[in-house]
Amino acid sequence: DAKTTQPPSMDCAEGRAANLPCNHSTISGNEYVYWYRQIHSQGPQYIIHGLKNNETNEMASLIITEDRKSSTLILPHATLRDTAVYYCIVRRNTNAGKSTFGDGTTLTVKP
Amino acid sequence: DGGITQSPKYLFRKEGQNVTLSCEQNLNHDAMYWYRQDPGQGLRLIYYSQIVNDFQKGDIAEGYSVSREKKESFPLTVTSAQKNPTAFYLCASSINRGGRNNEQFFGPGTRLTVL
Repeated sequence: DAKTTQPPSMDCAEGRAANLPCNHSTISGNEYVYWYRQIHSQGPQYIIHGLKNNETNEMASLIITEDRKSSTLILPHATLRDTAVYYCIVRRNTNAGKSTFGDGTTLTVKP
Repeated sequence: DGGITQSPKYLFRKEGQNVTLSCEQNLNHDAMYWYRQDPGQGLRLIYYSQIVNDFQKGDIAEGYSVSREKKESFPLTVTSAQKNPTAFYLCASSINRGGRNNEQFFGPGTRLTVL
């Protein structure tokens, strides 16, 4: 599975958009970009995923560059409850095999 | 309710003892995973299994063992050979059979402390 690179930490003001970047320059054509978040001492929670088109759901939007080498997770109106560690991973949808998480980005939403 | 259960939530053991962590899922998922998380760190993959009776080493398999005799269950044994076993252990599963979504579902974790 391709490796990903994320900044270790970011701050965001409450009510503003949080934009979390991820680099995955070695992504393969059949690998999807998945985003998860982990609130302290809990199991990670799925947020969103995409292959090459931009995606949006009730939690967030995912923007994937045309060359698929990077992506951005957007939380449109961050709240204090969005403070968490956000993980970007790449994996296949069949026979996913090893599914490796990095250290993620610690997002702190400030009042 | 469908989901993944891990038990117990907290576990204490004496140094030198083997300990087995339970992971059960009723989601009919083919694939299951074990991760270790140390304070302030990300998740590191210990073992994964894509199908019953088959499993593969992850990035930090030394000192751990697993079995996958049933689709629903993927227990992890932390052996005395694991030099620093105190950590937060997370189990996950995914459908792994194609379709548009192969998200991983995570259990609540087991916090193991070796005294």
